[in-house]
Amino acid sequence: NAGVTQTPKFRILKIGQSMTLQCAQDMNHNYMYWYRQDPGMGLKLIYYSVGAGITDKGEVPNGYNVSRSTTEDFPLRLELAAPSQTSVYFCASLTLQGLDGELFFGEGSRLTVL
Amino acid sequence: AQKVTQAQTEISVVEKEDVTLDCVYETRDTTYYLFWYKQPPSGELVFLIRRNSFDEQNEISGRYSWNFQKSTSSFNFTITASQVVDSAVYFCALTLDFGNEKLTFGTGTRLTIIP
Repeated sequence: NAGVTQTPKFRILKIGQSMTLQCAQDMNHNYMYWYRQDPGMGLKLIYYSVGAGITDKGEVPNGYNVSRSTTEDFPLRLELAAPSQTSVYFCASLTLQGLDGELFFGEGSRLTVL
Repeated sequence: AQKVTQAQTEISVVEKEDVTLDCVYETRDTTYYLFWYKQPPSGELVFLIRRNSFDEQNEISGRYSWNFQKSTSSFNFTITASQVVDSAVYFCALTLDFGNEKLTFGTGTRLTIIP
């Protein structure tokens, strides 16, 4: 049971390049999330998904796109990388237990845009 | 909108001392969930505790304890007899509704345990 797996762990991009951060979970969780963590800050929600085929914007969605074609995968796409997108990105998935639940995080992907 | 405030940006204590990390939250809802996560230097986020708004009982887990007080909207975290391995950034977070609401994080408290 691998949990939440993110790839790549590190990436350097040039301004204007595009890339996709991959996120996969093997726990059959319906809810998945992408957060970014800027230096010295807490996490901010970029996008989330409540199930395959359904995605919605979070607090800071500009410059990003997501898709959720399967329950397992939730990739995050950066179309035109900008220095402001330099951050650590965390993917997470959620298991619900009645009205309660637990959020499982991946190990993070550190992205630098130069 | 919800808000989580961790006023302590950085704390340093000598090993074996006790230390309390403060968390103050804001929400108008009566149903909510509070969390603490640990982020060690390696960068991953480690779940520590989840508490719902209907359960104000304090919790102890080994050297860790949590004091939830709705009257002051606080959910403070105490480490007893601190150890060097406790050095990390600790985040407090809140959500109203799993799945449909985002997890609102505080800005974190960087705890350094001095040997």
